[in-house]
Amino acid sequence: DSGVTQTPKHLITATGQRVTLRCSPRSGDLSVYWYQQSLDQGLQFLIQYYNGEERAKGNILERFSAQQFPDLHSELNLSSLELGDSALYFCASSVDPLQVTNEQFFGPGTRLTVL
Amino acid sequence: LAKTTQPISMDSYEGQEVNITCSHNNIATNDYITWYQQFPSQGPRFIIQGYKTKVTNEVASLFIPADRKSSTLSLPRVSLSDTAVYYCLVGFSASKIIFGSGTRLSIRP
Repeated sequence: DSGVTQTPKHLITATGQRVTLRCSPRSGDLSVYWYQQSLDQGLQFLIQYYNGEERAKGNILERFSAQQFPDLHSELNLSSLELGDSALYFCASSVDPLQVTNEQFFGPGTRLTVL
Repeated sequence: LAKTTQPISMDSYEGQEVNITCSHNNIATNDYITWYQQFPSQGPRFIIQGYKTKVTNEVASLFIPADRKSSTLSLPRVSLSDTAVYYCLVGFSASKIIFGSGTRLSIRP
């Protein structure tokens, strides 16, 4: 157990809909990362937040957005969903992204299925 | 950001030592080398990190030559439960790493 929690575990929805994925980082971690992993694909970095502020952006679509709240939990919003958005979405956290360590702690993921 | 190259897949047998090599020719002076392990439908898990020479922990060893342009993850006496995807990354902080496609390791009885 990494200490990172994600809800829901599974989500099934239809094309055109909007969903929200939630992540709670490990206690004490200030940075949150979101990744997308499609079937048999590598991890695609989407976005990073540090202490409430956006820190880095990866291959995140304009239909997707995220935020980190004062209590440090984060939400990833996916709108106008398409079949191709079906994937595992992982959240990860790290202590301090400026520390010399590449260690991120990953949550169990949310499996999104768009029908 | 330094790009890494590693084999797409590898096969081995239980009880064998497995070595997975990663190439990172344009590694920067302040970059560290890190390996993650990912089981199906689970998030990746940090295995080991090093800067130069050799690092060993309870699950693996990491060998880094003097020029640091490559590294080798060594898994001693693998078991079926070591079947997973292994990612090699380089970077100097948790926000400066990129996951590639990884090496899919299959262990057979």
